Amino acid sequence: GESVGLHLPTLSVQEGDNSIINCAYSNSASDYFIWYKQESGKGPQFIIDIRSNMDKRQGQRVTVLLNKTVKHLSLQIAATQPGDSAVYFCAENPTWNTDKLIFGTGTRLQVFP
Amino acid sequence: DTEVTQTPKHLVMGMTNKKSLKCEQHMGHRAMYWYKQKAKKPPELMFVYSYEKLSINESVPSRFSPECPNSSLLNLHLHALQPEDSALYLCASSHGGQGNSPLHFGNGTRLTVT
Repeated sequence: GESVGLHLPTLSVQEGDNSIINCAYSNSASDYFIWYKQESGKGPQFIIDIRSNMDKRQGQRVTVLLNKTVKHLSLQIAATQPGDSAVYFCAENPTWNTDKLIFGTGTRLQVFP
Repeated sequence: DTEVTQTPKHLVMGMTNKKSLKCEQHMGHRAMYWYKQKAKKPPELMFVYSYEKLSINESVPSRFSPECPNSSLLNLHLHALQPEDSALYLCASSHGGQGNSPLHFGNGTRLTVT
């Protein structure tokens, strides 16, 4: 399944399928990006990050892709599990050499059996 | 459990009350943050402290007053709040300094202003 962020805030996928969550960021000067997962009643949890000098980074079951040309970030989750159900946020650091981190709108991922 | 601890978990206060939210981390991080999150919205940055100095204030009303007593502690003092200030208040920390390290979040304080 695939989302387009603002236009599809909820993504429903079947357990075992791959998920793709998309994010369009606003500032072409942003040089650091993070994906967070937020479960109900909890704070955001770090998933994976990527710097602007890279276009792909892989973690355990997750891959982040960065396309600076179109200011687009995506999170791919392989073999989605029920425990992946949460709201996913992308975040960007829009100002070099500061500790500022700005969050995108978010996408809810629902995994059904 | 997170490595950033926030207290209290829930807080109900009247518009004339004064209260404080507390945050603590022992990861040696030098940057600490306050975010505000309304239901079904992303966290919004309020304040950033870098090396115990306020480095970013995102035009937050003065009824919110941050304080960083030392590198492990961060407080948010609340006074004369409005009902629309009801939200989840999240504290976070990071290694800090160059803006390229992830933030670690606590589970927040759920604030209700009556």
